[in-house]
Amino acid sequence: DAGVIQSPRHEVTEMGQEVTLRCKPISGHNSLFWYRQTMMRGLELLIYFNNNVPIDDSGMPEDRFSAKMPNASFSTLKIQPSEPRDSAVYFCASSFVDRGSPLHFGNGTRLTVT
Amino acid sequence: GNSVTQMEGPVTLSEEAFLTINCTYTATGYPSLFWYVQYPGEGLQLLLKATKADDKGSNKGFEATYRKETTSFHLEKGSVQVSDSAVYFCALRLSGTYKYIFGTGTRLKVLA
Repeated sequence: DAGVIQSPRHEVTEMGQEVTLRCKPISGHNSLFWYRQTMMRGLELLIYFNNNVPIDDSGMPEDRFSAKMPNASFSTLKIQPSEPRDSAVYFCASSFVDRGSPLHFGNGTRLTVT
Repeated sequence: GNSVTQMEGPVTLSEEAFLTINCTYTATGYPSLFWYVQYPGEGLQLLLKATKADDKGSNKGFEATYRKETTSFHLEKGSVQVSDSAVYFCALRLSGTYKYIFGTGTRLKVLA
């Protein structure tokens, strides 16, 4: 089991640029979560997918953020345009929520917007 | 509302000392409770869990007991090692939902 795989591990970009973060969940998991971690606000849920369908996107900060899950093995989180306040570590996590299994996190993408 | 409260860190201990990290929660229904650990540069990893009252979760020498009467899930380890240095997160999942609520994390530093 390769675990949840995220790419890139680090991203440095200039304000105004588009950023795309990628995630491959654990095979067989039907739920995918995107979280953002900062010192000030801790872990925040951005969006939750179940069976590839976005169920709860109430945590997405603004229209600049969008997420897709075109199939069960891939998801993207896009920020366009990026701003310095978006700098954070973004985690993807997957689970089989219906079975009550715990969250499995990837190693995250550290985003720095200058 | 639903919440998780952890003790403030950092916690600094000498190797082989006893560890307690306090966690209390407020939640409707019967949540499942978790401890996650985050090592530098990595994502959160499940350390242990408990799904009902009086359950004890254990892993790698760590233990926590689901205490419904005190709404607590304190993490303990009898003898810590330098390799246990990390940030520990207490979390709950509301029953019947996908919603997780995480504490703010407690940084543990173990000195040789």
